[in-house]
Amino acid sequence: SQQGEEDPQALSIQEGENATMNCSYKTSINNLQWYRQNSGRGLVHLILIRSNEREKHSGRLRVTLDTSKKSSSLLITASRAADTASYFCATVPYNQGGKLIFGQGTELSVKP
Amino acid sequence: EAGVAQSPRYKIIEKRQSVAFWCNPISGHATLYWYQQILGQGPKLLIQFQNNGVVDDSQLPKDRFSAERLKGVDSTLKIQPAKLEDSAVYLCASSFGQFVATNEKLFFGSGTQLSVL
Repeated sequence: SQQGEEDPQALSIQEGENATMNCSYKTSINNLQWYRQNSGRGLVHLILIRSNEREKHSGRLRVTLDTSKKSSSLLITASRAADTASYFCATVPYNQGGKLIFGQGTELSVKP
Repeated sequence: EAGVAQSPRYKIIEKRQSVAFWCNPISGHATLYWYQQILGQGPKLLIQFQNNGVVDDSQLPKDRFSAERLKGVDSTLKIQPAKLEDSAVYLCASSFGQFVATNEKLFFGSGTQLSVL
């Protein structure tokens, strides 16, 4: 079953703007991960945040995690046309054998 | 480092036919996953192997889908007979460790796009 819900489903911005995507989930987790998928390709891991962490940075990416609200956000700063892709959050719920469950994704379009 | 290899890249079959997909994970990765991704949705886990043992196959439609991972390396996923609703991208992924609960990340192949007519 799908645990994560992402918001918005689609986002269109201009190059140079920031993009924020949100993810909500239902059960307690071990960690939360974000992946990117370019059209017709496999998924690429972006960043992992553990349940005891609140914020992580990686280059132009910033991820926050609020376990009390069961939500996470991914911020991409100074977006580029090459950031155009679908972005998925994925959670590892407690006591479910360690499997990774994906949300529905946010489709990001960055216009030059 | 070579990535996760999958073949074929595309497959078109008629309903009720059978089809098989192949995956070769990154060398040394103990855990292998098959995901189904229907257009416009997130990937759904079908089966998870650790070495050559099944860890989770709770969402695998076992009346028509089967998977094996011989010798704990390559894996094949088979559908027999295929239905229209099986049209999707089948993604293979691998990870080094046993569980993603221990903060492992997954490496994905490019997938096999299946169209069932």
